[in-house]
Amino acid sequence: GAVVSQHPSRVICKSGTSVKIECRSLDFQATTMFWYRQFPKQSLMLMATSNEGSKATYEQGVEKDKFLINHASLTLSTLTVTSAHPEDSSFYICSARGSESTDTQYFGPGTRLTVL
Amino acid sequence: AQSVTQPDIHITVSEGASLELRCNYSYGATPYLFWYVQSPGQGLQLLLKYFSGDTLVQGIKGFEAEFKRSQSSFNLRKPSVHWSDAAEYFCAVARGSGGYNKLIFGAGTRLAVHP
Repeated sequence: GAVVSQHPSRVICKSGTSVKIECRSLDFQATTMFWYRQFPKQSLMLMATSNEGSKATYEQGVEKDKFLINHASLTLSTLTVTSAHPEDSSFYICSARGSESTDTQYFGPGTRLTVL
Repeated sequence: AQSVTQPDIHITVSEGASLELRCNYSYGATPYLFWYVQSPGQGLQLLLKYFSGDTLVQGIKGFEAEFKRSQSSFNLRKPSVHWSDAAEYFCAVARGSGGYNKLIFGAGTRLAVHP
């Protein structure tokens, strides 16, 4: 149980385009979802927290207009990187937390974004 | 501010040898502590967690961790390492209201296992 999927697993785009990454909880309802960014050989940095039906809460230094997060249902959250640039290239990971197990986050496999 | 330090960036052990991965945290209140493992192509998997109670926590895959408040440490151990344990290991502390809301991760320790 507690499986989280992400799509796509890899994406390459041109500079200036927008990219959408999906995060789905497959077998539980995710009241809260988190988006992380991981640079090569570095740790995960929390970007934002989203609760279903509410606006996302962004961490300090994260541009909310650039990283649009939508959590429209209890099983789906999306991260859209708008007007992507090469410095946005990174590994993006989502996690989800359900209402029944509020002390544990379950992580997706991540999405590798490369901006040319 | 809360922080997590994993002093060892890379560790190599022989298969069958014992393992200890170090983790130190900085947190003003009672910490909620986690160990996760990240394998290529897979999401972070929770190995174990500590919230309160017995300071020696048992996890999956034969791992255990001991919470030592006096040393602000939460080291991960395994008595006998298997080749399949080669991966990246992250220690994390939860912060925010409720104690488990947001995770702060250490830099990670990459474990290599020699046959």
